Amino acid sequence: AQTVTQSQPEMSVQEAETVTLSCTYDTSESDYYLFWYKQPPSRQMILVIRQEAYKQQNATENRFSVNFQKAAKSFSLKISDSQLGDAAMYFCAYRSQNTGNQFYFGTGTSLTVIP
Amino acid sequence: DSGVTQTPKHLITATGQRVTLRCSPRSGDLSVYWYQQSLDQGLQFLIQYYNGEERAKGNILERFSAQQFPDLHSELNLSSLELGDSALYFCASSPSGRNQETQYFGPGTRLLVL
Repeated sequence: AQTVTQSQPEMSVQEAETVTLSCTYDTSESDYYLFWYKQPPSRQMILVIRQEAYKQQNATENRFSVNFQKAAKSFSLKISDSQLGDAAMYFCAYRSQNTGNQFYFGTGTSLTVIP
Repeated sequence: DSGVTQTPKHLITATGQRVTLRCSPRSGDLSVYWYQQSLDQGLQFLIQYYNGEERAKGNILERFSAQQFPDLHSELNLSSLELGDSALYFCASSPSGRNQETQYFGPGTRLLVL
């Protein structure tokens, strides 16, 4: 089964600075999708960004970008110009192509933004 | 707002009881997924339905069951509840065709078993 590992349980960043959250995954598949979801204190799961494994270009969404290293099975999230509203739990997720399209989630990284 | 709705938002019940959680997917989405998130835990996949048919099963207990109705809403039934079933239960839906790999989450139902 696929596994997703987030090795940083907690991170902090100064407001307006840049932070990178790490994610690695284990799979034998060649085609899959990767996601970052944000869970603020309201506990709503909000899609931040997605990446198709067949695309070499790293996805970007405004201040959020990823560094996708397929060979290394690494998928990190970079948040630029951090804002107070970015404080949340961030989950990395892998979406399988072959097992009913279910998601596999990491255990999350809690991000604190310091004013 | 993702467009996925879940009711109720909160549920408090006693051990041994049975509850039903309801989910309405985004308009046009055929797939519905259920997840369980215990305190300070990641999300555990429970089950997926596609257009009324069970598509995939994850770590779903035998005491739990789900179904998807012709109008595409889904219900998750939890029976013989135990203290450890206290958690946040999410429903997610995904579209057919373009962006079908993306899941959009509802606000969740917080279940507390006393």
